[in-house]
Amino acid sequence: EAQVTQNPRYLITVTGKKLTVTCSQNMNHEYMSWYRQDPGLGLRQIYYSMNVEVTDKGDVPEGYKVSRKEKRNFPLILESPSPNQTSLYFCASSFLLTPSGPGANVLTFGAGSRLTVL
Amino acid sequence: SQQGEEDPQALSIQEGENATMNCSYKTSINNLQWYRQNSGRGLVHLILIRSNEREKHSGRLRVTLDTSKKSSSLLITASRAADTASYFCATLFGGSNYKLTFGKGTLLTVNP
Repeated sequence: EAQVTQNPRYLITVTGKKLTVTCSQNMNHEYMSWYRQDPGLGLRQIYYSMNVEVTDKGDVPEGYKVSRKEKRNFPLILESPSPNQTSLYFCASSFLLTPSGPGANVLTFGAGSRLTVL
Repeated sequence: SQQGEEDPQALSIQEGENATMNCSYKTSINNLQWYRQNSGRGLVHLILIRSNEREKHSGRLRVTLDTSKKSSSLLITASRAADTASYFCATLFGGSNYKLTFGKGTLLTVNP
């Protein structure tokens, strides 16, 4: 089944304790992205990657790191989590976002990772 | 911000009625998409409309795009309780940075 898998789905941690949220897709998508969703703010992009070893900042990258060593994986790293990073996180992927090409722009989302930082 | 804005923020209707949600955006786009999210779950793609298209249909969904007004609407006909969800528009802007940007969503409640 074509899917984006995130782990963990739920996590409670404490301020300053490094954590990684993994994301893996099995659709051979070039493009992968992380979003956070907060009440009243909608989805905001954290980082995205157009291909292996190619990453770039989204709208709210502060406090996060990413890497793209393999095409299928795009982990989100919180080096020193703080309470303002408490949020619902989504990983998504697609074939490369381009203005043309059928289906090239459609994102497939993971089920989400709910993170609480105390 | 390039973010699209949905209107209304919340909509409550009875089963069988039609639901209309609107999305406005600020800059030129390549395409506009609508996604659905059941409470706390991942978003699911519903329909994509390109900048050179004016209307698209998919089952009970009808999407229109007016690039002169920089707006789109999503119509769900003959709504069902199972349509209860949040609906987001997402816009793809051109230029050197191809990025899909989401609005804040419309929460649709369909009462049985």
